[in-house]
Amino acid sequence: DTGVSQNPRHKITKRGQNVTFRCDPISEHNRLYWYRQTLGQGPEFLTYFQNEAQLEKSRLLSDRFSAERPKGSFSTLEIQRTEQGDSAMYLCASSLAATGGYEQYFGPGTRLTVT
Amino acid sequence: AQSVTQLGSHVSVSEGALVLLRCNYSSSVPPYLFWYVQYPNQGLQLLLKYTSAATLVKGINGFEAEFKKSETSFHLTKPSAHMSDAAEYFCAVSDQTAASKIIFGSGTRLSIRP
Repeated sequence: DTGVSQNPRHKITKRGQNVTFRCDPISEHNRLYWYRQTLGQGPEFLTYFQNEAQLEKSRLLSDRFSAERPKGSFSTLEIQRTEQGDSAMYLCASSLAATGGYEQYFGPGTRLTVT
Repeated sequence: AQSVTQLGSHVSVSEGALVLLRCNYSSSVPPYLFWYVQYPNQGLQLLLKYTSAATLVKGINGFEAEFKKSETSFHLTKPSAHMSDAAEYFCAVSDQTAASKIIFGSGTRLSIRP
Protein backbone atom coordinates (compact mmCIF):
# COMPACT_ATOMS: atom_id res chain seq x y z
CA ASP A 1 0.00 0.00 0.00
CA THR A 2 1.79 3.12 -1.23
CA GLY A 3 -0.82 5.65 -0.21
CA VAL A 4 -2.56 8.23 -2.36
CA SER A 5 -0.32 9.74 -5.01
CA GLN A 6 -0.83 12.91 -7.04
CA ASN A 7 0.93 14.20 -10.12
CA PRO A 8 2.34 16.64 -10.79
CA ARG A 9 3.27 18.00 -7.38
CA HIS A 10 3.66 21.51 -8.76
CA LYS A 11 2.26 23.18 -11.86
CA ILE A 12 2.86 26.70 -13.07
CA THR A 13 0.71 27.83 -15.96
CA LYS A 14 -0.28 31.01 -17.69
CA ARG A 15 -3.77 32.39 -17.41
CA GLY A 16 -6.04 30.93 -20.05
CA GLN A 17 -4.20 27.63 -20.38
CA ASN A 18 -5.73 24.24 -19.56
CA VAL A 19 -4.23 22.00 -16.89
CA THR A 20 -4.87 18.41 -15.83
CA PHE A 21 -4.00 16.75 -12.55
CA ARG A 22 -3.94 13.06 -11.76
CA CYS A 23 -4.75 11.21 -8.56
CA ASP A 24 -4.04 7.55 -7.87
CA PRO A 25 -5.95 6.37 -4.81
CA ILE A 26 -5.05 3.59 -2.44
CA SER A 27 -5.69 0.37 -4.30
CA GLU A 28 -9.16 -1.10 -3.71
CA HIS A 29 -10.50 2.20 -2.32
CA ASN A 30 -13.75 2.74 -4.14
CA ARG A 31 -14.34 6.34 -3.11
CA LEU A 32 -12.24 9.24 -4.34
CA TYR A 33 -12.56 12.89 -3.34
CA TRP A 34 -11.13 16.16 -4.64
CA TYR A 35 -10.60 19.18 -2.40
CA ARG A 36 -9.10 22.62 -2.97
CA GLN A 37 -7.03 24.47 -0.38
CA THR A 38 -6.09 28.11 -0.66
CA LEU A 39 -3.42 29.79 1.43
CA GLY A 40 -4.40 30.09 5.08
CA GLN A 41 -7.62 28.13 4.69
CA GLY A 42 -8.80 24.61 5.26
CA PRO A 43 -9.53 22.31 2.32
CA GLU A 44 -12.87 22.79 0.57
CA PHE A 45 -14.76 19.90 -0.99
CA LEU A 46 -15.03 19.90 -4.78
CA THR A 47 -16.40 16.54 -5.86
CA TYR A 48 -16.38 12.82 -5.16
CA PHE A 49 -16.66 9.51 -6.99
CA GLN A 50 -17.86 6.11 -5.99
CA ASN A 51 -16.16 3.78 -8.41
CA GLU A 52 -16.52 5.52 -11.77
CA ALA A 53 -19.68 7.46 -10.90
CA GLN A 54 -19.40 11.12 -9.94
CA LEU A 55 -21.99 11.41 -7.19
CA GLU A 56 -21.63 14.94 -5.83
CA LYS A 57 -20.22 18.24 -7.04
CA SER A 58 -19.75 21.39 -5.03
CA ARG A 59 -20.92 24.77 -6.27
CA LEU A 60 -17.21 25.63 -6.21
CA LEU A 61 -16.78 23.38 -9.22
CA SER A 62 -17.54 25.80 -12.03
CA ASP A 63 -18.10 24.67 -15.59
CA ARG A 64 -14.40 25.20 -16.28
CA PHE A 65 -13.66 22.27 -13.99
CA SER A 66 -14.22 18.66 -14.94
CA ALA A 67 -13.29 15.48 -13.13
CA GLU A 68 -13.31 11.91 -14.32
CA ARG A 69 -12.61 8.49 -12.96
CA PRO A 70 -13.03 6.38 -16.08
CA LYS A 71 -12.28 2.91 -14.77
CA GLY A 72 -12.95 3.45 -11.11
CA SER A 73 -9.26 3.63 -10.32
CA PHE A 74 -7.27 6.83 -10.95
CA SER A 75 -8.97 10.18 -11.41
CA THR A 76 -8.17 13.33 -13.35
CA LEU A 77 -9.17 16.89 -12.60
CA GLU A 78 -9.02 19.30 -15.53
CA ILE A 79 -9.27 23.06 -15.33
CA GLN A 80 -9.94 24.86 -18.60
CA ARG A 81 -9.09 28.49 -19.27
CA THR A 82 -7.30 28.89 -15.96
CA GLU A 83 -7.70 32.09 -13.96
CA GLN A 84 -5.46 33.54 -11.27
CA GLY A 85 -8.12 32.68 -8.71
CA ASP A 86 -7.58 29.00 -9.49
CA SER A 87 -4.16 29.16 -7.83
CA ALA A 88 -4.39 26.74 -4.92
CA MET A 89 -3.39 23.33 -3.63
CA TYR A 90 -5.58 20.58 -5.08
CA LEU A 91 -5.88 17.61 -2.76
CA CYS A 92 -7.13 14.14 -3.52
CA ALA A 93 -8.36 11.65 -0.92
CA SER A 94 -9.67 8.11 -1.03
CA SER A 95 -11.65 5.84 1.26
CA LEU A 96 -13.12 2.37 1.37
CA ALA A 97 -16.88 2.20 1.69
CA ALA A 98 -16.85 -1.20 3.35
CA THR A 99 -15.28 0.26 6.48
CA GLY A 100 -17.88 3.00 6.77
CA GLY A 101 -16.03 5.33 4.48
CA TYR A 102 -15.54 8.04 7.01
CA GLU A 103 -11.76 7.85 7.11
CA GLN A 104 -10.27 9.60 4.12
CA TYR A 105 -6.60 9.27 3.25
CA PHE A 106 -5.08 12.31 1.59
CA GLY A 107 -2.41 12.62 -1.05
CA PRO A 108 0.37 15.23 -0.98
CA GLY A 109 -1.50 17.57 -3.27
CA THR A 110 -0.79 19.41 -6.51
CA ARG A 111 0.09 23.07 -6.09
CA LEU A 112 -1.18 25.15 -9.01
CA THR A 113 0.15 28.62 -9.69
CA VAL A 114 -1.54 30.63 -12.43
CA THR A 115 0.50 33.61 -13.64
CA ALA B 1 -25.59 22.06 7.24
CA GLN B 2 -22.35 21.47 9.05
CA SER B 3 -19.55 23.81 9.99
CA VAL B 4 -16.45 24.01 12.14
CA THR B 5 -14.95 26.96 13.97
CA GLN B 6 -11.39 26.84 15.16
CA LEU B 7 -10.65 29.43 17.81
CA GLY B 8 -7.27 31.02 17.25
CA SER B 9 -5.51 30.98 13.92
CA HIS B 10 -2.14 30.80 15.66
CA VAL B 11 -1.17 29.22 18.97
CA SER B 12 2.33 29.38 20.43
CA VAL B 13 3.48 27.27 23.37
CA SER B 14 6.79 26.45 24.95
CA GLU B 15 8.37 23.05 24.49
CA GLY B 16 7.07 20.78 27.25
CA ALA B 17 3.93 22.86 27.84
CA LEU B 18 0.33 21.79 27.39
CA VAL B 19 -1.08 22.08 23.90
CA LEU B 20 -4.76 23.05 23.61
CA LEU B 21 -6.33 23.71 20.22
CA ARG B 22 -9.99 24.65 20.30
CA CYS B 23 -12.70 23.47 17.93
CA ASN B 24 -16.45 23.98 17.98
CA TYR B 25 -18.75 22.35 15.49
CA SER B 26 -22.27 22.81 14.22
CA SER B 27 -24.25 19.89 12.88
CA SER B 28 -27.95 19.13 12.53
CA VAL B 29 -27.20 15.40 12.57
CA PRO B 30 -24.90 13.27 14.72
CA PRO B 31 -21.41 14.10 13.52
CA TYR B 32 -18.17 12.38 12.92
CA LEU B 33 -15.29 14.62 14.01
CA PHE B 34 -11.66 14.63 13.01
CA TRP B 35 -8.37 16.34 13.66
CA TYR B 36 -5.86 16.43 10.83
CA VAL B 37 -2.29 17.74 10.85
CA GLN B 38 -0.52 19.27 7.87
CA TYR B 39 3.22 19.82 7.72
CA PRO B 40 4.63 22.33 5.22
CA ASN B 41 4.19 21.27 1.60
CA GLN B 42 2.60 18.00 2.61
CA GLY B 43 -0.87 16.50 2.54
CA LEU B 44 -3.16 15.98 5.50
CA GLN B 45 -2.52 13.26 8.06
CA LEU B 46 -5.29 12.01 10.32
CA LEU B 47 -4.46 12.52 14.00
CA LEU B 48 -7.64 11.10 15.48
CA LYS B 49 -11.33 10.65 14.87
CA TYR B 50 -14.59 10.51 16.83
CA THR B 51 -17.19 8.15 15.40
CA SER B 52 -19.77 7.94 18.20
CA ALA B 53 -17.96 5.39 20.34
CA ALA B 54 -15.86 6.68 23.25
CA THR B 55 -16.06 10.42 23.80
CA LEU B 56 -12.37 10.63 24.72
CA VAL B 57 -10.39 9.79 21.64
CA LYS B 58 -6.69 9.06 21.62
CA GLY B 59 -4.66 9.61 18.49
CA ILE B 60 -1.15 9.47 17.20
CA ASN B 61 1.83 11.37 18.59
CA GLY B 62 0.30 11.67 22.07
CA PHE B 63 -2.68 13.79 21.03
CA GLU B 64 -6.19 13.27 22.32
CA ALA B 65 -9.54 15.01 21.99
CA GLU B 66 -12.80 14.92 23.89
CA PHE B 67 -16.23 15.08 22.28
CA LYS B 68 -18.58 17.24 24.36
CA LYS B 69 -22.04 17.28 22.85
CA SER B 70 -23.42 19.80 25.35
CA GLU B 71 -20.70 22.26 24.38
CA THR B 72 -20.52 21.22 20.70
CA SER B 73 -16.76 21.06 21.15
CA PHE B 74 -13.94 18.75 20.14
CA HIS B 75 -10.78 20.34 21.52
CA LEU B 76 -7.37 18.80 20.84
CA THR B 77 -4.83 18.43 23.62
CA LYS B 78 -1.34 17.11 24.24
CA PRO B 79 0.20 17.17 27.71
CA SER B 80 3.72 18.09 26.63
CA ALA B 81 4.59 19.85 23.38
CA HIS B 82 7.53 18.76 21.27
CA MET B 83 9.32 20.81 18.64
CA SER B 84 8.16 18.32 16.00
CA ASP B 85 4.51 19.22 16.76
CA ALA B 86 4.88 22.54 14.94
CA ALA B 87 2.42 22.34 12.06
CA GLU B 88 -1.04 23.38 10.89
CA TYR B 89 -3.95 21.60 12.57
CA PHE B 90 -7.41 21.26 11.08
CA CYS B 91 -10.59 20.26 12.86
CA ALA B 92 -13.20 18.73 10.57
CA VAL B 93 -16.73 17.34 10.62
CA SER B 94 -18.80 15.04 8.46
CA ASP B 95 -22.17 13.42 8.85
CA GLN B 96 -22.55 9.75 9.62
CA THR B 97 -22.99 8.46 6.13
CA ALA B 98 -20.35 6.43 4.43
CA ALA B 99 -19.74 8.75 1.53
CA SER B 100 -19.71 12.07 3.31
CA LYS B 101 -17.48 14.90 2.31
CA ILE B 102 -15.48 16.42 5.13
CA ILE B 103 -15.99 20.02 6.16
CA PHE B 104 -12.79 21.57 7.47
CA GLY B 105 -12.13 24.49 9.76
CA SER B 106 -9.76 27.24 8.72
CA GLY B 107 -6.88 25.76 10.69
CA THR B 108 -4.67 26.65 13.65
CA ARG B 109 -0.96 27.08 13.21
CA LEU B 110 0.91 25.66 16.20
CA SER B 111 4.34 27.08 16.97
CA ILE B 112 6.65 25.64 19.61
CA ARG B 113 9.09 27.89 21.45
CA PRO B 114 12.36 26.29 22.60
